[in-house]
Parts: sequence; C-alpha cells; structure tokens
Amino acid sequence: AQRVTQPEKLLSVFKGAPVELKCNYSYSGSPELFWYVQYSRQRLQLLLRHISRESIKGFTADLNKGETSFHLKKPFAQEEDSAMYYCALRSGGGADGLTFGKGTHLIIQP
Amino acid sequence: DSGVTQTPKHLITATGQRVTLRCSPRSGDLSVYWYQQSLDQGLQFLIQYYNGEERAKGNILERFSAQQFPDLHSELNLSSLELGDSALYFCASSSGLPPEQFFGPGTRLTVL
Repeated sequence: AQRVTQPEKLLSVFKGAPVELKCNYSYSGSPELFWYVQYSRQRLQLLLRHISRESIKGFTADLNKGETSFHLKKPFAQEEDSAMYYCALRSGGGADGLTFGKGTHLIIQP
Repeated sequence: DSGVTQTPKHLITATGQRVTLRCSPRSGDLSVYWYQQSLDQGLQFLIQYYNGEERAKGNILERFSAQQFPDLHSELNLSSLELGDSALYFCASSSGLPPEQFFGPGTRLTVL
C-alpha cells in the first residue's frame, strides 16, 4: 500500500529564514510526487510536480528515490508563504487518485 | 468562474439520512475525483470517474456511491450517514496530461 508521511503538523519560521517541509513516501513502483498548497480561505492548488523539476514562488523539491523523500525547500521564507502544504503521490497506471500526507501548517513570522 | 464548482457549500443532516453532493468540473475536463478530508484521516481519495465511467476506487465505503453524467457533472451519494462521516468533501477535475487536478472549494458535511 502506498503512504505519504509529513512528520511536522506545524512549522514556524521567521521571515527570511530557510524553509524545509519534509515528505517521505512508501510505494513499490515509480511514483509521481506533488506538492499542493492551500492558502487561507482558498482552494487546494498545485504548487510543484517532481516531473517538471520547476521552481514556483521560490520553492523547489527534489525526488530522492534512495531516501524515498520529496522535501519542499525555499531559501528565504516570505510572509505570504504561510499556508497548509500537502505532499501527494500518484501511482499512475491510468488511476489518478492522489494519496495525500496529512499536511504541514507553515507559519512565517515577521 | 470556469473552475470546479461544488454545491452545496454546507450541509447539516442527521444520522441515518442520505445526501447528495454535486460537482461540476472545469470546462473540458473529463476526469472527476472525489476526496474526503477529516481531522483524523486527512485527505483521502474516494473515487474517480472518466467520461462517465468509473476509473478507480480508493477508500470509499459501500454506503457511498458516485456517478458522472453525460454533461460530465458528478454526484456523490452518501447514505445511512454516521457521525464519523462528518467531513469536508472535495471534488477535483483534470483533463489528463499533465495530470494536474484542480480542486473545488469543498462541501462541508455535518452529521448530527
């Protein structure tokens, strides 16, 4: 069975400090990994997908198959980054349902 | 707004009752997904439909069922409701490739 673990329910950092949101997964095949973000009073939206290896809003995430991790990083946090962040896994094969972690609430303090 | 829409926003009902949640996908999206978000279980995938056909099942209870209609809107039917069914129910849609899922605002169900 596939599983996504986000060990931190809450992460508080100061503005300008580096941020790392941890995500570990268990899956026997080759998964696709995503980070979704939910800002206050907004709907869940895609932030990053590992396939595109992009940087969005200064965030990056690298898939480490050896450590089965997909940690989300940003070198300098901004107050507008405060939100709930969810790591998700898609097993593929035509069935696209996502397996989500329980989320990390990121608070950026001024 | 051409995004995913869900109705109603809130629903309060009693145990043993049956409710129907409705989702309209983004224009052109053929896939619809249903998710349940509860405090203890987090966000869980329930079921996926693609162009009217069931495509994948997740942790969906037998008391729950869904369908997707010819106009591509979808309904999630929850019956014999229990207190533990109280949750946020999200619908998402996608066009396929890339497999980005666009989420609706959710329906908050409260079972009393």
